[in-house]
Amino acid sequence: EAGVTQSPTHLIKTRGQQATLRCSPISGHTSVYWYQQALGLGLQFLLWYDEGEERNRGNFPPRFSGRQFPNYSSELNVNALELEDSALYLCASSFGQIGGELFFGEGSRLTVL
Amino acid sequence: AQTVTQSQPEMSVQEAETVTLSCTYDTSESNYYLFWYKQPPSRQMILVIRQEAYKQQNATENRFSVNFQKAAKSFSLKISDSQLGDTAMYFCAFLFSGSARQLTFGSGTQLTVLP
Repeated sequence: EAGVTQSPTHLIKTRGQQATLRCSPISGHTSVYWYQQALGLGLQFLLWYDEGEERNRGNFPPRFSGRQFPNYSSELNVNALELEDSALYLCASSFGQIGGELFFGEGSRLTVL
Repeated sequence: AQTVTQSQPEMSVQEAETVTLSCTYDTSESNYYLFWYKQPPSRQMILVIRQEAYKQQNATENRFSVNFQKAAKSFSLKISDSQLGDTAMYFCAFLFSGSARQLTFGSGTQLTVLP
């Protein structure tokens, strides 16, 4: 069974540009989570989608946005990129039950120059 | 707000020995979940073990066990018979059982198993 897949693996952008990251959850999972793992800052919660709706977002500016499609895949968009957006972006999926295991992808490494 | 603290940025252990990773958390909630995730160099986070706060019995998964002290808000991970494949960054994480589904992670402990 395929795990959580993320694309692209690496992405290089310049300040002010937009980045789009994609995530395909494990088949049957309805919840998708996005985390930012920046050097020295650990993992920070970004967004949670379930059944196509944004259910919760972390303490990030509005230029971080996303959506979940009918097939439960998800997209994270980062507008007006800043140098400090350079990080590993991890996507995770689950069945949606509280306290259940999150299954993570290998992440997308975003570098902003 | 919940906080999770891992006070050991790096640890090492000899192969086949036992090592304990520390984690403390701060919360005013009574119902929550605690997790240990590992992140090997491949970057993919993998669940090691999970504990429900209302269960007094410590969780165990093969060579991995936890010492959950709810009153002290402590959740340490013990790895027995350490193997080279255990080398990874280990993150402690907290999840309130409310509706927000927001995992709060500690800063991580880099564990190196030495041959």
